[in-house]
Amino acid sequence: RKEVEQDPGPFNVPEGATVAFNCTYSNSASQSFFWYRQDCRKEPKLLMSVYSSGNEDGRFTAQLNRASQYISLLIRDSKLSDSATYLCAVNPTNFGNEKLTFGTGTRLTIIP
Amino acid sequence: DTAVSQTPKYLVTQMGNDKSIKCEQNLGHDTMYWYKQDSKKFLKIMFSYNNKELIINETVPNRFSPKSPDKAHLNLHINSLELGDSAVYFCASSQDRGLAGEQYFGPGTRLTVT
Repeated sequence: RKEVEQDPGPFNVPEGATVAFNCTYSNSASQSFFWYRQDCRKEPKLLMSVYSSGNEDGRFTAQLNRASQYISLLIRDSKLSDSATYLCAVNPTNFGNEKLTFGTGTRLTIIP
Repeated sequence: DTAVSQTPKYLVTQMGNDKSIKCEQNLGHDTMYWYKQDSKKFLKIMFSYNNKELIINETVPNRFSPKSPDKAHLNLHINSLELGDSAVYFCASSQDRGLAGEQYFGPGTRLTVT
């Protein structure tokens, strides 16, 4: 089983719709979780951290389910500019030399 | 000003050659990383340096040698290039080794080995 797994998509969603995708992780000791966004032929950029209590940033909501070992990202009222690949990232350690393990990404296309 | 910069942006070279990629960050961060993103878009960490000290080395062939002359710079030298080295290489930085989740990436270097 891969350390971090995502549905690669593509998700083709009409503008204004709500879309959600999940990311599962295999290491139950993982401590922190993140969503990154990567536009075509660009670098990844941090979208949001995922807190235990869940967190919201405008139209974006991230949730963590430790029992089932997955994180989710919900995008409401989707915009054309949301089209990108969304990478989840997991930090398996809580101290010392931290690193991120990335999923392969979920490709999202918002259709006008 | 670009926060994390890499040169060159594109690199086309033949098998067996040696090449270097340079990375600089002006964020005042202590920790820097090299990632490889292959054709399937899988982003995998290769190395991490904290204040010029190597702290992560992820089972990378020893043809790859990182060097950090100071905490703002992390270069990657690749010897005897192989076809399988073709990928996009991203440099990234984070404030310190304990904040690895919040990384800032450079624009990437697209390496093509022919």
